[in-house]
Amino acid sequence: QSALTQPASVSGSPGQSITISCTGTSSDVGGYNYVSWYQQHPGKAPKLMIYDVSNRPSGVSNRFSGSKSGNTASLTISGLQAEDEADYYCSSYTSSNTLLYVFGTGTKVTVL
Amino acid sequence: QVQLVESGGGLVKPGGSLRLSCAASGFTFSDYFMIWIRQAPGKGLEWVSYISSSGGTIYYADSVKGRFTISRDNAKNSLYLQMNSLRAEETAVYYCVRESSGRSLDYWGQGTLVTVSS
Repeated sequence: QSALTQPASVSGSPGQSITISCTGTSSDVGGYNYVSWYQQHPGKAPKLMIYDVSNRPSGVSNRFSGSKSGNTASLTISGLQAEDEADYYCSSYTSSNTLLYVFGTGTKVTVL
Repeated sequence: QVQLVESGGGLVKPGGSLRLSCAASGFTFSDYFMIWIRQAPGKGLEWVSYISSSGGTIYYADSVKGRFTISRDNAKNSLYLQMNSLRAEETAVYYCVRESSGRSLDYWGQGTLVTVSS
């Protein structure tokens, strides 16, 4: 079972929108509506930003949105702000017999 | 508010053992599945182990099976990870994490650093 594929880096200017992709297979991303996204600032624990593909936990800005098409999920950050600069990881439910949680490779978001 | 506080990390020699603890508060611990996740320096997230709310169902990543043991004490609101035969490549920050719906992980501890080195 391989990790989900994310771009290594994505950048944007303040106020712009960016999208991070997360590509898996029909055994994980494509097979279930259980994709989640995490934000991690340096030296800090990850924070849940999106769950069940497109739901935001209480307290998460509505500038963050999630979607899915086929085997690829996406996280969009609109109105990019300096505080959004962080690493982002996707994760998905998987039907694997040996791996309960599969994570993405991680994407570094840089605010120019 | 929900809090997860890990402890027990430190420096250990290859082949050595360490026991991590996680103290939970702010929620009904016995209602939730709990997970250990680790992150090697500069690397991504890796699932290590899972335990159901009652402790009756347990899973391990293949990489730690037979060497790590997860457990919980619902009376003490605590989660544990006994790590034996540690390897250098297992140097990482270990996070105690609560599972919510659809395998989403809604609360994370601050992490405890385990360094395996001679």
